[in-house]
Amino acid sequence: GAVVSQHPSRVICKSGTSVKIECRSLDFQATTMFWYRQFPKQSLMLMATSNEGSKATYEQGVEKDKFLINHASLTLSTLTVTSAHPEDSSFYICSAHTSGRSQNEQFFGPGTRLTVL
Amino acid sequence: AQSVTQPDIHITVSEGASLELRCNYSYGATPYLFWYVQSPGQGLQLLLKYFSGDTLVQGIKGFEAEFKRSQSSFNLRKPSVHWSDAAEYFCAVAPDYGGSQGNLIFGKGTKLSVKP
Repeated sequence: GAVVSQHPSRVICKSGTSVKIECRSLDFQATTMFWYRQFPKQSLMLMATSNEGSKATYEQGVEKDKFLINHASLTLSTLTVTSAHPEDSSFYICSAHTSGRSQNEQFFGPGTRLTVL
Repeated sequence: AQSVTQPDIHITVSEGASLELRCNYSYGATPYLFWYVQSPGQGLQLLLKYFSGDTLVQGIKGFEAEFKRSQSSFNLRKPSVHWSDAAEYFCAVAPDYGGSQGNLIFGKGTKLSVKP
C-alpha cells in the first residue's frame, strides 16, 4: 500500500514549451501533496504544498506563475512548468500525505526527470 | 530555523563492513526524524522514522538509527553492508505538527559506495 506514481518519468522538451507532471496516490486519498525539486547531487527542496480543492502554498523564491500546481482530487496533483527554460531542468519529486494514515509520513513518487533543451 | 546536517558527503565501505551515517539536526522542540534512501534516478524510500518512545529505531533492510537528544543526532547504522545498499541517504526532520500536514527539511545527503 501507500503507492505514489508520477508521470512521465522522463521528459525532454524545447525551451519555451510547457510541461505537465502528474502525481497520483494509487491506493489512498491524499489530502496534501508536496512538490520537491532536486538538482544534481543536491538535496530535495520543497517547492510547494497543495491541499485538495485549495490553492497551493509556495515556498519563498518559487514562482507560482511559472510552476502551476493543481490538486483537483484527492488522488491527483499536477505540476505544470510553464515556458520552460534550461535552468528548469531538474528532478521533480512529489509526495503525498494523509492525516488518516501513518501520521506524519509522506509517501514519495519515483520522480520525473525534466530536461529542457 | 530548522536545519539538518549530514557531515559526510560520500562514504565508501567494504561489503560486509559496518556502516554509520551521521545526521545532526537543529530544532527547538521534539523533532520527527526520518531516514530515506534514494537509488539513482528514483524517488525516496523511507527506511525508518522516530516520533517518540524508544530512542533506538529499527527500520527496513536491516537499518537502525538512534536518537540522541543531548547530541541532537540521529545516526543511521547497519552492522553488515550489502552491495545493494549503495545509494544516496537523506536524513530529514519534520516540525511537530501533531499529525496534520507538514513539510520535511532534508539534509544534503550522503552517498554510499560499497566496495566488493
